[in-house]
Amino acid sequence: DVKVTQSSRYLVKRTGEKVFLECVQDMDHENMFWYRQDPGLGLRLIYFSYDVKMKEKGDIPEGYSVSREKKERFSLILESASTNQTSMYLCASSRPRGLGPGELFFGEGSRLTVL
Amino acid sequence: AQKVTQAQTEISVVEKEDVTLDCVYETRDTTYYLFWYKQPPSGELVFLIRRNSFDEQNEISGRYSWNFQKSTSSFNFTITASQVVDSAVYFCALSGRQGAQKLVFGQGTRLTINP
Repeated sequence: DVKVTQSSRYLVKRTGEKVFLECVQDMDHENMFWYRQDPGLGLRLIYFSYDVKMKEKGDIPEGYSVSREKKERFSLILESASTNQTSMYLCASSRPRGLGPGELFFGEGSRLTVL
Repeated sequence: AQKVTQAQTEISVVEKEDVTLDCVYETRDTTYYLFWYKQPPSGELVFLIRRNSFDEQNEISGRYSWNFQKSTSSFNFTITASQVVDSAVYFCALSGRQGAQKLVFGQGTRLTINP
């Protein structure tokens, strides 16, 4: 069964802390993504990576960084957490399909609360 | 820029009713891809369908059907004879450039099917 696994379902952190969200996929997918989901805003893309050590900014990269040292692992880093980063974070992976995007496979999400 | 609008924030129907979820998109690209995803209460988004801009044929899969109309930039999703298990948040998404792997999501529609 294919799987995207996010390391933590629930986290509570304090303002200013450094936060790591880890994501691992077992499908040998080239592409990996980090989205955040907020009520009324849907999913917004933070960063994505199409290869090891490659990354590209999404629509809301401010306050975040990412790391992809291995193909199966994509980490999201909040250098100094702030209360407006309280959200649900979703990791996804995909493989290109023809000339277009393939379907995304999502993890269960990490709900982060910053106090 | 690409944009997806799901104007219906919440829909509530009684079991066995038919229900249509609307999706309107904006893109300047001639080649693009449209998707629908389902997010059940467990939280993990599940892929439902992928459509490219050159294929306007409607698609039916069991109780699910999709109506793609380029003339109105819409990609609507209908559930026939709804069931309680259809209760979820549904997202429409767009990838607006050939070769682009990232998806832009709409705000989502929360569908509740009452017994």
